[in-house]
Amino acid sequence: DQQVKQNSPSLSVQEGRISILNCDYTNSMFDYFLWYKKYPAEGPTFLISISSIKDKNEDGRFTVFLNKSAKHLSLHIVPSQPGDSAVYFCAASGPGTSYGKLTFGQGTILTVHP
Amino acid sequence: DADVTQTPRNRITKTGKRIMLECSQTKGHDRMYWYRQDPGLGLRLIYYSFDVKDINKGEISDGYSVSRQAQAKFSLSLESAIPNQTALYFCATSDTGRTGRLRYTFGSGTRLTVV
Repeated sequence: DQQVKQNSPSLSVQEGRISILNCDYTNSMFDYFLWYKKYPAEGPTFLISISSIKDKNEDGRFTVFLNKSAKHLSLHIVPSQPGDSAVYFCAASGPGTSYGKLTFGQGTILTVHP
Repeated sequence: DADVTQTPRNRITKTGKRIMLECSQTKGHDRMYWYRQDPGLGLRLIYYSFDVKDINKGEISDGYSVSRQAQAKFSLSLESAIPNQTALYFCATSDTGRTGRLRYTFGSGTRLTVV
């Protein structure tokens, strides 16, 4: 039972264009969402997060949007750069004793072409 | 030095062998985790520990055990390795920081192959 799903295994984008990575979740108890970026032979690194009390969070070229009614979040990267090519994971955490445990999606491989 | 160090980085072992993956951290975080990554499945939680005396099973703990030897050390053992435990294993730590927001730090991973 995959509680966090990234239905696109891969995404290919031209340099300078927008990359949009999507993530859906089923557990309505999740209240904190994160995006991680992973390069080969490295561990995931934190990119951006959003609390369920917000619907948008920006950090430079990265913006995360949260639609709670649809249980959907998306990561926008504008403009995309070749160095953004990596695997992107969305993750979710719940409150209380669940806080700190992350449930991850399957990942989306982003390729940004020069 | 890395904040979260995993050893070994790569390991090939035979079916039935016992193997230990080690993790140490210099972050000073109480919370530590072991995840495994499989293609198409993302990262799945094996075990987690919120302090030295606290050990909890994650979603896929069967066939694994852990030991929290100290705040800084959290080891994962495969008592009798089987081929479907071939995966990339990540150790991680977390705290909430000054902002109160959850912050994770991952190690670089251990690639384990069971033949």
